[in-house]
Amino acid sequence: SAVISQKPSRDICQRGTSLTIQCQVDSQVTMMFWYRQQPGQSLTLIATANQGSEATYESGFVIDKFPISRPNLTFSTLTVSNMSPEDSSIYLCSVFREPHEQYFGPGTRLTVT
Amino acid sequence: DQQVKQNSPSLSVQEGRISILNCDYTNSMFDYFLWYKKYPAEGPTFLISISSIKDKNEDGRFTVFLNKSAKHLSLHIVPSQPGDSAVYFCAARGGADGLTFGKGTHLIIQP
Repeated sequence: SAVISQKPSRDICQRGTSLTIQCQVDSQVTMMFWYRQQPGQSLTLIATANQGSEATYESGFVIDKFPISRPNLTFSTLTVSNMSPEDSSIYLCSVFREPHEQYFGPGTRLTVT
Repeated sequence: DQQVKQNSPSLSVQEGRISILNCDYTNSMFDYFLWYKKYPAEGPTFLISISSIKDKNEDGRFTVFLNKSAKHLSLHIVPSQPGDSAVYFCAARGGADGLTFGKGTHLIIQP
């Protein structure tokens, strides 16, 4: 398995501001993923972050809105920029472990007012 | 379009009986399928997975069955326990991509 921590665990932010979410993994991983779970919805993949390369964004998500950093093999950040109430969600980071398992952090619960 | 579907938003099962959670998919390129359990205010917890080349995988009380021709998989929990009450997500992976999730089934175990 994998031990994944996220900071902050929750936050309440004002419209128009930005929040950076940190994800720390207990061991080196090549692939990290960022997901979003909007209220009452399923989990949706935002982007894949590999160390040393630009993040790959899914349809509907853009780098200007959700910039991602991946400075090393155990850490990543996701920024939610220029927030609106529609960005209120749980944001989760995830890592891939061979052979074919993915593990999730505890999530960051974001409320935008 | 939804590539992974869980058509039952909720399921109620008596303690000690079998819980069967169902999932359908449309994308034949998916090569692995995973089940997660999620409590409120926590991240999803990985339960069990199955490769598309298998039709069954078992781990303790959890068994996942895959019917590739029907593009259908199911998670069996037996016997069901009160701690199993949670939302269960079916997820699918194609290659090195991230996961595609279903909308989840809220399992309620009744005493």
